[in-house]
Amino acid sequence: GAGVSQSPSNKVTEKGKDVELRCDPISGHTALYWYRQSLGQGLEFLIYFQGNSAPDKSGLPSDRFSAERTGGSVSTLTIQRTQQEDSAVYLCASSFSSGGVFEQFFGPGTRLTVL
Amino acid sequence: DAKTTQPPSMDCAEGRAANLPCNHSTISGNEYVYWYRQIHSQGPQYIIHGLKNNETNEMASLIITEDRKSSTLILPHATLRDTAVYYCIVRVGSSNTGKLIFGQGTTLQVKP
Repeated sequence: GAGVSQSPSNKVTEKGKDVELRCDPISGHTALYWYRQSLGQGLEFLIYFQGNSAPDKSGLPSDRFSAERTGGSVSTLTIQRTQQEDSAVYLCASSFSSGGVFEQFFGPGTRLTVL
Repeated sequence: DAKTTQPPSMDCAEGRAANLPCNHSTISGNEYVYWYRQIHSQGPQYIIHGLKNNETNEMASLIITEDRKSSTLILPHATLRDTAVYYCIVRVGSSNTGKLIFGQGTTLQVKP
């Protein structure tokens, strides 16, 4: 079946512009996560959505970052007024919420470059 | 901060077993140990997880010490395609889902 998909695969933008990154989770997965990985760094948690519960935004680095999840499916991560330090690979993952299943399935990521 | 400590790098000969250690001395009683790996330029891939007992699947085995303060991931017959960064993670959050806190991981280089 289809895995987690993300678009675009690559995004180059100018400093100060806004960008939107999209994630399509695996059908039926109620939990959705965003992470980012800067060059040479480990993966950093940003935000996660679980069903209809309030999202856990504890990893968002600043108020320029926000995310939405519409209809419990597709999610969009928005970065406003991008800065060069926002350059990274942004990874989305999804998982079931039912008991006994713990695996997060990751998408291929969106590579964001801020010039 | 990650609750795990791993060696930054390891080498393994192709066809031999790769044993990747992880320390998690502050793990709580209801926290699981997860292993993921990330092959270059790809998203992380789940390998295995465990709570108390040793676990085995088609990819690997997970050995957890009795006091749960450390664990070892075993790839029984490493291949060149197993070259990757391996992350040992203690999962936080709810009983079913929760954010993963990744450390720096261990870069495993499988050599011919």
